[in-house]
Amino acid sequence: AQKITQTQPGMFVQEKEAVTLDCTYDTSDQSYGLFWYKQPSSGEMIFLIYQGSYDEQNATEGRYSLNFQKARKSANLVISASQLGDSAMYFCAMREAYPYGGSQGNLIFGKGTKLSVKP
Amino acid sequence: NAGVMQNPRHLVRRRGQEARLRCSPMKGHSHVYWYRQLPEEGLKFMVYLQKENIIDESGMPKERFSAEFPKEGPSILRIQQVVRGDSAAYFCASSTKDNSPLHFGNGTRLTVT
Repeated sequence: AQKITQTQPGMFVQEKEAVTLDCTYDTSDQSYGLFWYKQPSSGEMIFLIYQGSYDEQNATEGRYSLNFQKARKSANLVISASQLGDSAMYFCAMREAYPYGGSQGNLIFGKGTKLSVKP
Repeated sequence: NAGVMQNPRHLVRRRGQEARLRCSPMKGHSHVYWYRQLPEEGLKFMVYLQKENIIDESGMPKERFSAEFPKEGPSILRIQQVVRGDSAAYFCASSTKDNSPLHFGNGTRLTVT
């Protein structure tokens, strides 16, 4: 089973509107972290936002917010007031608890959603 | 603060040659991760290292690939006897500790001809 599922291969949004990018995850751990990264056409990976599994509040960073629904195992990214520069691939990722000396701890990525912002 | 530095940015190798990819983590970061990205795909984990130790290499192919993170100097991902299927973008990331965000370098685009 996939650990991270992003069901939207591509999305379009009008400039200045809000958009939600979906992400669901699968884990049996109680302690984990959820991350969103942006990859523009230039190729670099840019960290956007982080949500810990024990965090009570949804994470926010400027125009980015994470709609965390633990029972549903979803961690959707909301981008408000879209800008042309938001056009990029967006990857959701999860990091499970890492016991010292164990073999977990790396980021597992979804396949990504390509967001296109229309002027 | 300088971010994660990877070099070279682009690397072209003929089949059978060796490829060496370098990664200097962010200052203060002791955890280094290597990922591979094929075109139109997400990043696939390869290996996780701390200084002088390989913590998790479950994503590394068993042959031809190796990684190190010495006490001094950058982390190195080494691919021996490259084949066309090794062509990909290789990203290095670093973090301060477990469950803190990974910060990525700009990647090395390896092309095998």
